[in-house]
Amino acid sequence: QVQLVESGGGVVQPGRSLRLSCAASGYRFSDYGMHWVRQAPGKGLEWVASIWNDGSHENYADSVRGRFSVSRDNSENTLYLQMSSLRVEDTAIYYCTRDLRGNQIDYWGQGTLLTVSS
Amino acid sequence: QSVLTQPPSVSAAPGQTVTISCSGSSSSIGTNYVSWYQQLPGTAPKLLIYDNDKRPSGIPDRFSGSKSGTSATLGITGLQAGDEADYYCKTWDSSLSVGIFGGGTKLTVL
Repeated sequence: QVQLVESGGGVVQPGRSLRLSCAASGYRFSDYGMHWVRQAPGKGLEWVASIWNDGSHENYADSVRGRFSVSRDNSENTLYLQMSSLRVEDTAIYYCTRDLRGNQIDYWGQGTLLTVSS
Repeated sequence: QSVLTQPPSVSAAPGQTVTISCSGSSSSIGTNYVSWYQQLPGTAPKLLIYDNDKRPSGIPDRFSGSKSGTSATLGITGLQAGDEADYYCKTWDSSLSVGIFGGGTKLTVL
């Protein structure tokens, strides 16, 4: 069965950097695009970034463009989100998700919590 | 900035039918597939509807989706207490090349 397991969340000070990871299993990772989606405490879902199956193309939400970078290692079945210049408003649960097709999401990880606070 | 508009809340009694609307634009819903997600309290979202109107295996036919022009609708019939959750629509904006979620709708089963 498809499993997506995020890691790397925690508490970080504003302005610092952090990298999230997502280990995928149960399917051929290199066949599917991936997305990061976040949810601030008590708020709705926010799409963050996406990457094509071969890593050749990325897209970003305006709120993170220039600060976040999505990448993947298809040999390790792992998705990454490198986050820099973190802000308090980046505090959220970050979900790793799989693209079904047409930028639709079919599987979600359990999420990892990032707290940006001084 | 591309926006998908959903009602903040809907409610209905058990056994009743409810619909949740999702309004977008020509470059978002008008051009791309719409998917719907259910988020039960304290859990990750789950796919309910994809390709505007298709259900993944395991999703009961009480849940349905439709799309017309720049709007989409999620329908739930035979409401059950376990349907109480937040529901989100999602699509892609082809002009901005970004994914977008609706603001979410909280369903209360009275």
